Parts: sequence; structure tokens; C-alpha cells
Amino acid sequence: EIVLTQSPGTLSLSPGERATLSCRASQSVSSSYLAWYQQKPGQAPRLLIYGASSRATGIPDRFSGSGSGTDFSLTISRLEPEDFAVYYCQQYGSWWTFGQGTKVEIK
Amino acid sequence: EVQLVETGGGLVQPGGSLGLSCAVSGFSVSSNYMSWVRQAPGKGLEWVAVIYSGGSTYYADSVKGRFTISRDNSKNTLYLQINRLRAEDTAMYYCARVVVGANHYFDYWGQGTLVTVSS
Repeated sequence: EIVLTQSPGTLSLSPGERATLSCRASQSVSSSYLAWYQQKPGQAPRLLIYGASSRATGIPDRFSGSGSGTDFSLTISRLEPEDFAVYYCQQYGSWWTFGQGTKVEIK
Repeated sequence: EVQLVETGGGLVQPGGSLGLSCAVSGFSVSSNYMSWVRQAPGKGLEWVAVIYSGGSTYYADSVKGRFTISRDNSKNTLYLQINRLRAEDTAMYYCARVVVGANHYFDYWGQGTLVTVSS
């Protein structure tokens, strides 16, 4: 099973700042099979990025994804108040696994 | 408009059983891969089970032999039968559509139904 490790666990930033979240896989992952989700308290996860770098429908262009092999990242270019949430990466190998999440909180 | 609405969660004793439902509108469950994903309180996401459009089913090792995923095409509804419940099965259970092919990800999610296993 491919294990995804996200870092940092918590990111404390101010609105307007840039956020960079990391997702490292225990073995190589096809870029096609790497996705990112946002989850706010009391809500279901929302798809942000698929195929490592493609934005889902309706996702603002301040969200971008990159990476390949074992190292992937999600960047939020300028944090808006509604972006403070928990973010999960997800991969598909034999089955689907998720990282443990990165919380982006207001500093 | 796409909607997934889960029902059936509740409080159940260890060793008990529960049946979850996910009523879908806006697309056909029979033409898509559908999954259940769970989230223990304060924890991350865990894939639980999938049913392919062709009807094949697969499970995470942690639930194999205890959980059964199924669907009713006429009702456009997905199900998860959970047996021999354990405390560690306590979680919010989400149904989700799986996009497959060139990519594999979950694009539509329900709001979840909470299962609590406690005596």
C-alpha cells in the first residue's frame, strides 16, 4: 500500500499570504492518479485538483498543483478567508489512499 | 443538479449491524464507479469500498468480510451493509462517485452519515 505523508501538519498564515503544502508518497505515484481535496468543518471533502495539476470545475486559479514521482505540492497563491481549511492529498495505486491532512489556519 | 444523500447512521452496540443508504440524483449509479469513504472523528479519510459499473466489488482490508457494498439501479441508490461492528468503525461515512480512466479521483460527495459504535 502506498502511504502518503503530508507536511506540515499545520500551517499558520495570514490572508493574502502564499501557502505551499507538501505530499510525499512512499513509492512512485503516477501523476495522473494524484488528487487534492479541501475539507471545512462539518462538510464533505471537495475536489480541488486531479491529475496532480488540473483544477476541478469551479476551482479558482489561485489553487495550483504540481509534482511527480513521490513529491507533490498544492499551492494557494494568495489565501482568501474561505481557504482556511484542511487539505488532503489522495493517490490511486491498487486502491485509493489519502494523506493525513494539512490544516491551514489563520495566524 | 447532482446530489448524494446518505442516511442510516446511528448508535449501535459492538457486534451489531447497520445499513447505510446513499440516494443519488443527477447521474446513474449503475453507469459509474461508486465508493464509500469514512472519516473517524478528528481523523483523516479512509477509502472503504467500491462497486464498479459492471458490478464488481472491492474492499479495504480493514473491513473485508464485514462490509458489503451494493446498489439498486431502479432506485439509483448505493448501499453499505456493515456487520460485526467494532469501536474503530465509528466514523462519518461518505458516499462518493469515482472518476476512473486517465485519472482516479472522487468528484461528487454526499454530506455523510455518522455511525457510532458504543455500548
